[in-house]
Amino acid sequence: QVQLVESGGGLVKPGGSLRLSCATSGFTFSDYYMSWVRQAPGKGLECVSYISRSGSTIYYADSVKGRFTISRDNAKNSLYLQMNSLRAEDTALYYCAKYSRGWDFDYWGQGTLVTVSS
Amino acid sequence: QSALTQPASVSGSPGQSITISCTGTSSDVGGYKYVSWYQQHPGKAPKLMIYDVSNRPSGVSNRFSGSKSGNTASLIISGLQAEDEGDYYCSSYTSSSTVVFGGGTKLTVL
Repeated sequence: QVQLVESGGGLVKPGGSLRLSCATSGFTFSDYYMSWVRQAPGKGLECVSYISRSGSTIYYADSVKGRFTISRDNAKNSLYLQMNSLRAEDTALYYCAKYSRGWDFDYWGQGTLVTVSS
Repeated sequence: QSALTQPASVSGSPGQSITISCTGTSSDVGGYKYVSWYQQHPGKAPKLMIYDVSNRPSGVSNRFSGSKSGNTASLIISGLQAEDEGDYYCSSYTSSSTVVFGGGTKLTVL
């Protein structure tokens, strides 16, 4: 069965960095777009970034552009998010999500919590 | 990219039908067939309930259906059950080549 398992979250000071990872299994990772979607406490969902199958197409939300970097390793079936210059407003549960063949997310991980606070 | 507009809350009694609306613009909901709906229970990850406006993934109850008219999409839940209680989010592909979500709707089963 499809599994997405995030790791790397934690407590970090403003201006700090974190690297999130998403280990996947149960599907051909290299065949699908992948995304990071975040949810601030008590708030809605926001697509932070996505990456195409080969990594040639990448999108960032304006809120993270220039600070976050998405990448993937198809040999390791893994997705990453390097987060620099973190701000309090980046505090959220970060989900790794798999795109279907269209523009919907058919599988989600359980999320990893990022807390930015001094 | 502005979030899609959803009602903050809806409620209904068991057995009834409810509709959750999702309003966007011609640059998202109105311009593409890629509208999706997600259900989220407290402390859980979102679950895909409807994709491409009106299609149900395998395993999702046929009590859930979707439609679209102009810039507004709708999720209809018929035969409401206690387990349907939770938060519902719509999403749409946009002209900016990304996905935008609605603000979410809290469904209460009375």
